[in-house]
Amino acid sequence: KAGVTQTPRYLIKTRGQQVTLSCSPISGHRSVSWYQQTPGQGLQFLFEYFSETQRNKGNFPGRFSGRQFSNSRSEMNVSTLELGDSALYLCASSADSGRRNTIYFGEGSWLTVV
Amino acid sequence: AQTVTQSQPEMSVQEAETVTLSCTYDTSENNYYLFWYKQPPSRQMILVIRQEAYKQQNATENRFSVNFQKAAKSFSLKISDSQLGDTAMYFCAFGLAFVTFGKGTHLIIQP
Repeated sequence: KAGVTQTPRYLIKTRGQQVTLSCSPISGHRSVSWYQQTPGQGLQFLFEYFSETQRNKGNFPGRFSGRQFSNSRSEMNVSTLELGDSALYLCASSADSGRRNTIYFGEGSWLTVV
Repeated sequence: AQTVTQSQPEMSVQEAETVTLSCTYDTSENNYYLFWYKQPPSRQMILVIRQEAYKQQNATENRFSVNFQKAAKSFSLKISDSQLGDTAMYFCAFGLAFVTFGKGTHLIIQP
């Protein structure tokens, strides 16, 4: 069974631009979560989607948004990029939503904002 | 809000030794899940072990075991017979509506 796939793996953007990251979950998984990992803040929860609906949202500004498609694939978008958005963005999928979650991660997308 | 605290930023042990990583959490919920994830230099997050809060028996996966103390809200990870490949960041995590992670412990296994 293929794991969680994230694209692109590496990207460099300029301040003020926007970026879209993609995540394909493990086959059969309907929940997709996104995390931002930085040296200073660690792993921070961005949002979770389940069956195309946002179920939970972390404490991030509105510049961070996401969506999920009917095939469970998910995208996250960051608009008006700031230098502080440079991070490893991790996507994780699980079969279901909620406390019974065991989430499985992709390899991440490295975003550098210059 | 749930919080997860890992008080050991870095630990270093010799190969074949046993090491214990500490984790405490704070929640008012009674039914939840706890996890340990490993992140090697490749940055791929790998599930090490999982514990359901309603189970009193501590989870075990080969050389990895946990000491789950629900009343104390403590969830430590013990690695027996440590190997060089165990060198990684280890994250304790709490699962309820979503999964919350601690800041991590950088474990270094010395040859």
